[in-house]
Amino acid sequence: GAGVSQTPSNKVTEKGKYVELRCDPISGHTALYWYRQSLGQGPEFLIYFQGTGAADDSGLPNDRFFAVRPEGSVSTLKIQRTERGDSAVYLCASSLISQETQYFGPGTRLLVL
Amino acid sequence: AQSVTQPDIHITVSEGASLELRCNYSYGATPYLFWYVQSPGQGLQLLLKYFSGDTLVQGIKGFEAEFKRSQSSFNLRKPSVHWSDAAEYFCAVGGPNTGNQFYFGTGTSLTVIP
Repeated sequence: GAGVSQTPSNKVTEKGKYVELRCDPISGHTALYWYRQSLGQGPEFLIYFQGTGAADDSGLPNDRFFAVRPEGSVSTLKIQRTERGDSAVYLCASSLISQETQYFGPGTRLLVL
Repeated sequence: AQSVTQPDIHITVSEGASLELRCNYSYGATPYLFWYVQSPGQGLQLLLKYFSGDTLVQGIKGFEAEFKRSQSSFNLRKPSVHWSDAAEYFCAVGGPNTGNQFYFGTGTSLTVIP
């Protein structure tokens, strides 16, 4: 079956612009996670959704970052007033239920110039 | 605080040689343990996982890992490495007692030489 998909695969933007990153989880997976992976590092947790609600957003670095999952399936990570330090690969993962095995998408590589 | 340590940043092995990648975790209870592999430009692929039971777990691509509670370790092994195994390997902890997050190590980059 289809895995987790993320669009776009690459995004180049200018400092100060707004970006949206999309994640389409595996069908039927109730839990969805966003991570950020900087060069040479492991993924770092940003936010977790159980269904439509953000159950844990403790990893979001500041209020420029926001994510939604309005129908409990597709999720969008939104970054306002982008900064060069936001450049990273943003990974999405889903799991059938929370705390179980997470399946990752290919990521969106964000470059802020 | 939970932490995952992968002490080897980079490892080089010859094709056909054995491989062991180290992973240690710091956690109050036994978490769920995972190994993922990431090829350049790709997402993370699950190699294997440990939740409970037999401490030696088998995964895909001929990999195995052994959970050692006394050492808080979950080392990944492969008896004979193939050139296609060159990639970045991440150890992660998760499960009911880590909240809703996975905690990842910083990764070990594997180079395979002919």
